[in-house]
Amino acid sequence: SQTIHQWPATLVQPVGSPLSLECTVEGTSNPNLYWYRQAAGRGLQLLFYSVGIGQISSEVPQNLSASRPQDRQFILSSKKLLLSDSGFYLCAWSKRGGQNSGNTIYFGEGSWLTVV
Amino acid sequence: AQSVTQLGSHVSVSEGALVLLRCNYSSSVPPYLFWYVQYPNQGLQLLLKYTSAATLVKGINGFEAEFKKSETSFHLTKPSAHMSDAAEYFCAVSAFGGGSYIPTFGRGTSLIVHP
Repeated sequence: SQTIHQWPATLVQPVGSPLSLECTVEGTSNPNLYWYRQAAGRGLQLLFYSVGIGQISSEVPQNLSASRPQDRQFILSSKKLLLSDSGFYLCAWSKRGGQNSGNTIYFGEGSWLTVV
Repeated sequence: AQSVTQLGSHVSVSEGALVLLRCNYSSSVPPYLFWYVQYPNQGLQLLLKYTSAATLVKGINGFEAEFKKSETSFHLTKPSAHMSDAAEYFCAVSAFGGGSYIPTFGRGTSLIVHP
């Protein structure tokens, strides 16, 4: 079966410091990968998605970036964090070609980021 | 283009009472529809999915949802609420041909269950 893991689970970082959140998927090949952010009391905001190694699409312009160095690895980064970057970050995956069956998205456990 | 609206950011019920969480969608082509549940400090878990096979979809934990095309709705129900059902619930729509295969999520409804 497929599993998705992301880490760290919680992170407290000062303003201006860098960020790296990592996500890996197991049990599948060539997945579509996603990063979402969930701010307190709000819904889900799609930040980035990737359909293959090195292929990243950005949905929201900001000081965050994403990379996909390997097929099942997705990394969310920032060079300098802002207070507004605080939130709950969720990595997710779906099957390649899964759009023919509705493109079900499966989520990781999430990472809490607090910028102080 | 596709969109989804969840009516009510909070729904409060008593334990044992009917749970009804409302979701209306907009899509220019036949959609796929999803309900997810999120427990505190966790990721989202798929509850159920509509893929046009049947209008009444049964999911995990006793939840079900009915697709009503005429009302563009996909409301989530459970006959009897349990304390453990307290969580955030998200409705999502995915409609290929609308330009994106990525589901669009609603803003979520927080279900509060009173003893």
